[in-house]
Amino acid sequence: GQNIDQPTEMTATEGAIVQINCTYQTSGFNGLFWYQQHAGEAPTFLSYNVLDGLEEKGRFSSFLSRSKGYSYLLLKELQMKDSASYLCAVRDITRGSTLGRLYFGRGTQLTVWP
Amino acid sequence: DTGVSQDPRHKITKRGQNVTFRCDPISEHNRLYWYRQTLGQGPEFLTYFQNEAQLEKSRLLSDRFSAERPKGSFSTLEIQRTEQGDSAMYLCASSFGLAEYEQYFGPGTRLTVT
Repeated sequence: GQNIDQPTEMTATEGAIVQINCTYQTSGFNGLFWYQQHAGEAPTFLSYNVLDGLEEKGRFSSFLSRSKGYSYLLLKELQMKDSASYLCAVRDITRGSTLGRLYFGRGTQLTVWP
Repeated sequence: DTGVSQDPRHKITKRGQNVTFRCDPISEHNRLYWYRQTLGQGPEFLTYFQNEAQLEKSRLLSDRFSAERPKGSFSTLEIQRTEQGDSAMYLCASSFGLAEYEQYFGPGTRLTVT
């Protein structure tokens, strides 16, 4: 199966930088996604990594190391509205699976304080 | 609004009753996914369609669950003889084309089984 591990909770202050880590173990890795989910709402897409390295998109960046089974999401210039759960998801192609399914971690609940 | 829509948004039912949820994906998206999410957990994959074909079904999906996408557009998820353990948020997502495209989630249907 897939083991996706990320911290349960993190806190930070407005204007700060926070890094949310995600480790995974898969037999057929085919991409890593980060989603943001506000309480009571649907997850929204933030980033996608399939090759090693850093992908930057505005205040958010995501990094991937396939050899280490490791990714992080970096949030800069934190704002109150960034308080949400951040979900790490891995696409794993194994026997019997297809390119469709994602395996999600439990999510990291980030609280941004003023 | 051209996003993914789900109906109903909330459903309260008594144990043993049958329930059916509907998902309307983004119109040009050929892939449709169903996930289940409980409090404090990430979404868990249930099943996935490409056009009208159901390509994968999770082992989490017991015989009481069935999903259809008869014309390759909207989809329905039916749960027969509901149990209290079925209480969760049922999320639908859609995507277009090749697997590297992100999945867009609907607002979800929150099911409470009493």
